[in-house]
Amino acid sequence: EIVLTQSPDFQSVTPKERVTITCRASQSIGSRLHWYQQKPDQSPKLLIKYASQSFSGVPSRFSGSGSGTDFTLTINSLEAEDAATYYCHQSSDLPGTFGQGTKVEIK
Amino acid sequence: EVQLVESGGGLVQPGGSLRLSCAASGFTFSRYDIHWVRQAPGKGLEWVSAIDTAGNTYYPGSVRGRFTISRENAKNSLYLQMNSLRAGDTAVYYCAREGDSSGIDAFDIWGQGTMVTVSS
Repeated sequence: EIVLTQSPDFQSVTPKERVTITCRASQSIGSRLHWYQQKPDQSPKLLIKYASQSFSGVPSRFSGSGSGTDFTLTINSLEAEDAATYYCHQSSDLPGTFGQGTKVEIK
Repeated sequence: EVQLVESGGGLVQPGGSLRLSCAASGFTFSRYDIHWVRQAPGKGLEWVSAIDTAGNTYYPGSVRGRFTISRENAKNSLYLQMNSLRAGDTAVYYCAREGDSSGIDAFDIWGQGTMVTVSS
């Protein structure tokens, strides 16, 4: 099973700051890494697929990069509505696995 | 509107059974692989099962032999039969549509979830 490790687990950020979340895979997964946003009491929503492809309708301040084992989700100019938990997910192999999540709080 | 709506959750005793349903609308259900993903209270996401367009099924070790995923394309519906339930199966269960790229794609549509509580 491929293990995904996110860092940090928690981040408190002021509006308009840049947020960087990393996801490291226990083995190479190419670009089969996706990012989701989950707000409290809501289901997850796809933000970025295949490491860097923005999903339809996602604000341009969200971007992704990386390949192999190291990946990054960046939120430029954080907005209050971005308070959420962010998860990475690998689809290189079954079982599909998720990172433990990174909670982003707005100061 | 493209949508997935889960139902069938509830309170069940350890060792009991429950059947979840997921109703799809707004897209051609038969053309997509569909997954179940769960989230224990206050915890992260865990993949539970998948069924592809050919009807092939996939499970992680934690539920294999206890859970059965199935689909009924004529009814645009997905199911999860859960047997021998344990306290550790307590979670919100989401159905999620996999995108249509080759290989295993990202989950582009999620339902709102249905809560399953296993407790005596």
